Amino acid sequence: NAGVMQNPRHLVRRRGQEARLRCSPMKGHSHVYWYRQLPEEGLKFMVYLQKENIIDESGMPKERFSAEFPKEGPSILRIQQVVRGDSAAYFCANNLGGLSTDTQYFGPGTRLTVL
Amino acid sequence: DQQVKQNSPSLSVQEGRISILNCDYTNSMFDYFLWYKKYPAEGPTFLISISSIKDKNEDGRFTVFLNKSAKHLSLHIVPSQPGDSAVYFCAAKENTGFQKLVFGTGTRLLVSP
Repeated sequence: NAGVMQNPRHLVRRRGQEARLRCSPMKGHSHVYWYRQLPEEGLKFMVYLQKENIIDESGMPKERFSAEFPKEGPSILRIQQVVRGDSAAYFCANNLGGLSTDTQYFGPGTRLTVL
Repeated sequence: DQQVKQNSPSLSVQEGRISILNCDYTNSMFDYFLWYKKYPAEGPTFLISISSIKDKNEDGRFTVFLNKSAKHLSLHIVPSQPGDSAVYFCAAKENTGFQKLVFGTGTRLLVSP
């Protein structure tokens, strides 16, 4: 039973470049949540997607950030023109469904460093 | 506006003793609470959860207590083991259709032999 997969695990970008983070939910699941953890802080919700639909993007910054979950392939969190403040760990998660709908299981994260 | 608060950034406990991690919340719409454990450079790992209709849930060495009137929950680990050393996050979910979690800032637990 493969868990939530994320890649890359580490990503280094220079200011102004683009960052693309990928997430594949557990096999058989078609939704993902994205969270960001800034240094010394807790995780903060960014966006919730189902295949081809953004369900809740209330935590997404208004500019430079976008997310998609195409019909085929992983979910992508895209950060354009990265700045040093974007340096953080980005996690994605999904629920199992059924009686465990409320519990989210997380991937290993992508650590983004902006130089 | 920090809706979920973990006021103790760190806690040190001796092996074999009880660890008690606390969490307070302000949003009365929260109906489900979870504890996650996180090691450096890894994703959070689910530990235990509790629904707002209960006041206690137990799973092996881990017990979570919920006091709705005080908007307070706690995680008890007994006996504590050195492998329990990690950062523990409290998280909560509103009783709406969306499942997004609101996290506290974490408590770093150190269990010494």
